[in-house]
Amino acid sequence: KQEVTQIPAALSVPEGENLVLNCSFTDSAIYNLQWFRQDPGKGLTSLLLIQSSQREQTSGRLNASLDKSSGRSTLYIAASQPGDSATYLCAVRRPTSGTYKYIFGTGTRLKVLA
Amino acid sequence: DGGITQSPKYLFRKEGQNVTLSCEQNLNHDAMYWYRQDPGQGLRLIYYSQIVNDFQKGDIAEGYSVSREKKESFPLTVTSAQKNPTAFYLCASSPQGSTDTQYFGPGTRLTVL
Repeated sequence: KQEVTQIPAALSVPEGENLVLNCSFTDSAIYNLQWFRQDPGKGLTSLLLIQSSQREQTSGRLNASLDKSSGRSTLYIAASQPGDSATYLCAVRRPTSGTYKYIFGTGTRLKVLA
Repeated sequence: DGGITQSPKYLFRKEGQNVTLSCEQNLNHDAMYWYRQDPGQGLRLIYYSQIVNDFQKGDIAEGYSVSREKKESFPLTVTSAQKNPTAFYLCASSPQGSTDTQYFGPGTRLTVL
């Protein structure tokens, strides 16, 4: 059974720091992995999607890497800003054809201090 | 303005009552999903639908029911059989041909009094 873990559960950093969020999954047979951002009391916004054949994806100050063999993904945020404060969730998609189900991690709650 | 809407934003229910949460999308997406989010936990899939008039149980379907009579709408009913319904409920959709990215609504917070 696929399980997705995110450590740490919460993180507080001063503005301007580069930081890394971690995501681990127990079954390396995944279709893709996605990172989401969730603001308090709101829905999720997709940040980056990495297909199983890819090693990383970049968007602006965000870079996500994927190492399927070790069951790990990292989300790197460069030069963090107070506006980056949110909960970040990773999710892996099961490889079963015809289904579109994601398994979500518990999230890392990030606070960037001004 | 394309997107997913959920209503109401906050919902209060007495024990023993059924309530229905609304989810509407104008993105012309074929697939729609309902998730439940509890504090300190990840999202868990309740039901999903890949096409009109068809839907499948997710990981925690007990105590919930859905319908998909129209492409745009995927309402979720929380029945009295759901033992612990207080949670944040999220609806999402994705295009059939490109199901990688799911687009989420703003959520409904349900509280049982």
